[in-house]
Amino acid sequence: GAVVSQHPSRVICKSGTSVKIECRSLDFQATTMFWYRQFPKQSLMLMATSNEGSKATYEQGVEKDKFLINHASLTLSTLTVTSAHPEDSSFYICSAGGPPLEQYFGPGTRLTVT
Amino acid sequence: GEDVEQSLFLSVREGDSSVINCTYTDSSSTYLYWYKQEPGAGLQLLTYIFSNMDMKQDQRLTVLLNKKDKHLSLRIADTQTGDSAIYFCAEMEKGGKLIFGAGTRLAVHP
Repeated sequence: GAVVSQHPSRVICKSGTSVKIECRSLDFQATTMFWYRQFPKQSLMLMATSNEGSKATYEQGVEKDKFLINHASLTLSTLTVTSAHPEDSSFYICSAGGPPLEQYFGPGTRLTVT
Repeated sequence: GEDVEQSLFLSVREGDSSVINCTYTDSSSTYLYWYKQEPGAGLQLLTYIFSNMDMKQDQRLTVLLNKKDKHLSLRIADTQTGDSAIYFCAEMEKGGKLIFGAGTRLAVHP
């Protein structure tokens, strides 16, 4: 089946620094990728939808200048958390594809900001 | 906004049936989904049900939908240790956005 990878799987950074998370579709091309965030014992919340070659669409309440999304190719989308703070510590999950029946999820990246 | 709720933890004995419950709020949802997440892996779509159905069976999995009560359940027959994972219920909102529950951690013990 289709595989989506994320890198890194875990990252610890200091407050005020920026962190980049990569999401790759390994064996298929994805014009659309989604970024989710999950706090402990809470739901996955959609942060943004990224379409290859165009600007990402952010959900209400998500700061686009803080969470920079780039989808420069059909197999790679990146999420950069800029000027990270402890409250940004979370589990970030990407998915690639289109309709839910054809959407494949990455394993997630755990970000800890100290 | 729309909301999906599920209990956080379920423990069952190997060989017994597991029932994971979920409630949702969007009565216009056309599809409802169950995902499985194993440690270190991505969410895997297990099964789904159209809103005009009230039951769907797929091998050991049975999905029941009570549209009136907005209640969805996933029954796993003959639960095995390999079924230990986190199970997410999700509804699709208008526009195709997925709304997830917090996930139910299923622990299977001998």
